[in-house]
Amino acid sequence: EVQLVESGGGLVQPGGSLRLSCVVSGFTFNNYWMSWVRQAPGKGPEWVANIKQDGSEKFYVDSVKGRFTISRDFAKNSLYVQMNSLRDEYTAVYSCAREGVVPGDYWGQGTLVTVSS
Amino acid sequence: EIVMTQSPATLSVSPGERATLSCRASQSVSSSLAWYQQKPGQAPRLLMYGASTRATGIPARFSGSGSGTEFTLTISSLQSEDFAVYYCQQYNNWPWTFGQGTKVEI
Repeated sequence: EVQLVESGGGLVQPGGSLRLSCVVSGFTFNNYWMSWVRQAPGKGPEWVANIKQDGSEKFYVDSVKGRFTISRDFAKNSLYVQMNSLRDEYTAVYSCAREGVVPGDYWGQGTLVTVSS
Repeated sequence: EIVMTQSPATLSVSPGERATLSCRASQSVSSSLAWYQQKPGQAPRLLMYGASTRATGIPARFSGSGSGTEFTLTISSLQSEDFAVYYCQQYNNWPWTFGQGTKVEI
């Protein structure tokens, strides 16, 4: 069974930092692009970043470029995103997703990030 | 960035009725179009990809059509478990983008 489990969310002040993690199981992690997707309260999802199988290519949505860094650890079957200089509008549930037959063929349940003073 | 526009925002239907949801892309996405279903407190669930291919385990009452800029998701006979929010998503050009969603309600 494919599983993706996120952790690391919480309350952080504007300008602060947070690192999210996603542990996967049930598939060969090394074979897939992986992504982070966020969904603000009452809004549709927004793709944030993705990373190639070997980590050699990374893409970011413009609104997080220079603030977020996506990475992966093959030994730990884990995906990460380091989020710096956080802004109020980054408050959302952050989910990791596998890019299989289509980006987002499997999603985790997400972890809530609240940016507020 | 490709903008995806869904209509209507809300669709009120009765169980057993047919529902037709529309999605328009601001530029051609070929057939790189997916549909997701989302229920409150849950992650989106993949329904369709390649505009018209059902994902694993998705019932045949769901069908998709279209290419280029105009797409449709049809639910032939709504069941109680189908009342949810539906999103279209293009994956032809980065960043992958979603529509704003169509809420299917009773």
